[in-house]
Amino acid sequence: EAQVTQNPRYLITVTGKKLTVTCSQNMNHEYMSWYRQDPGLGLRQIYYSMNVEVTDKGDVPEGYKVSRKEKRNFPLILESPSPNQTSLYFCASSPTEGKLFFGSGTQLSVL
Amino acid sequence: GDSVTQMEGPVTLSEEAFLTINCTYTATGYPSLFWYVQYPGEGLQLLLKATKADDKGSNKGFEATYRKETTSFHLEKGSVQVSDSAVYFCALSAGGTSYGKLTFGQGTILTVHP
Repeated sequence: EAQVTQNPRYLITVTGKKLTVTCSQNMNHEYMSWYRQDPGLGLRQIYYSMNVEVTDKGDVPEGYKVSRKEKRNFPLILESPSPNQTSLYFCASSPTEGKLFFGSGTQLSVL
Repeated sequence: GDSVTQMEGPVTLSEEAFLTINCTYTATGYPSLFWYVQYPGEGLQLLLKATKADDKGSNKGFEATYRKETTSFHLEKGSVQVSDSAVYFCALSAGGTSYGKLTFGQGTILTVHP
């Protein structure tokens, strides 16, 4: 089954404790990205990657890191999380313009 | 920069009612337009799209027409069902090398009662 898998689904952490949210896709897509969803703001792109070892900032990259060492994986790293990063996060992969396949989301709470 | 504005929600309807969710956009060039739907506890799914002016996207009884003159892409359905209850997002893509990036509206919550 074609899918984007992200883990964990729920995460509660404390300020400053490094965390990683994993994302993997099995569709051989070159383009992958991370979004955060906040009430009243819709989804905003954090980082994206157009291929292995190629990553770039989206609209709200501050406080986040990513890596793309393999085509299928695109982890999101918060090295020192802060409460304003409490949000619902989605990983997505894309084969063509505008058609995104989303993971099921990771609800992160930073206390 | 590019932006998408959706009508304020939430929207509450009875089954078989007519649905309209308004969406307008601001963009340079000629964007492609999309509607995505998010069911509870799930990621977003592509509902329909239109890639040029006057195109009509349709799927599952939903329709939206790309209106360049009014910079709009309103979502409509003639008879909603309880199973249509979800959050609906209008989005645009500027295309080019960043083909996987979408600019989203804020989302509209739709609740359909039996």
